[in-house]
Amino acid sequence: QSALTQPPSASGSPGQSVTISCTGTSSDVGAYNFVFWYQKHPDKPPKLVIYEVSKRPSGVPDRFSGSKSGNTASLTVSGLQPEDEADYYCSSYAGSIYVVFGGGTKLTVL
Amino acid sequence: EVQLVQSGAEVKKPGESLKISCQGSGYKFSSYWIGWVRQRPGKGLEWMGIIYPDDSDTIYSPSFQGQVTISADKSISTAYLQWSSLKASDTAMYYCARHLRYSGYLVDSWGQGTLVTVSS
Repeated sequence: QSALTQPPSASGSPGQSVTISCTGTSSDVGAYNFVFWYQKHPDKPPKLVIYEVSKRPSGVPDRFSGSKSGNTASLTVSGLQPEDEADYYCSSYAGSIYVVFGGGTKLTVL
Repeated sequence: EVQLVQSGAEVKKPGESLKISCQGSGYKFSSYWIGWVRQRPGKGLEWMGIIYPDDSDTIYSPSFQGQVTISADKSISTAYLQWSSLKASDTAMYYCARHLRYSGYLVDSWGQGTLVTVSS
């Protein structure tokens, strides 16, 4: 069982928006603004798409956005594109445990 | 450009030992935490632990403490992950990952992955 809880799947049609949740505890997501989202395509290493809850690394489209409320963080992908189809993992700094991941969400672009 | 290049795929038998590697380039290797992330077939990412190459300070996830050894040789900019006695359940893709301490240990750079298959 993963430390952070994500829905196993999400889907949307091209152009639509989809939001993926990530629920942790007051020891990880709720305690720190160090929540990250990674995109992972099959047979490729993960790629950082959101850091520190809502910041986008250089080169990541502004269609990707992040937020947090209490112990739950969210990733929203707006204006879905076919290339957004991938697995998405949330991660959080967790104090003495350092880093925890969610179980991953498979995003399907219909 | 930051690059992490991992050693090639391995096929081992249960009980055998193994050491895989990850060589960093394009940055000062000794000054960044570097660690390992496991992905079992069809499963999610699991954080295993990190090492600070400059002084070899090492932190393990409780799930992996005692199961693997993380080490580094800063003179050749290389981190290692090793097992003394592999099990079938160690079959997985292993990614090395550069962590940024002052950003909550986010991973900003990943290796290409090393597939480890343990089978009799």
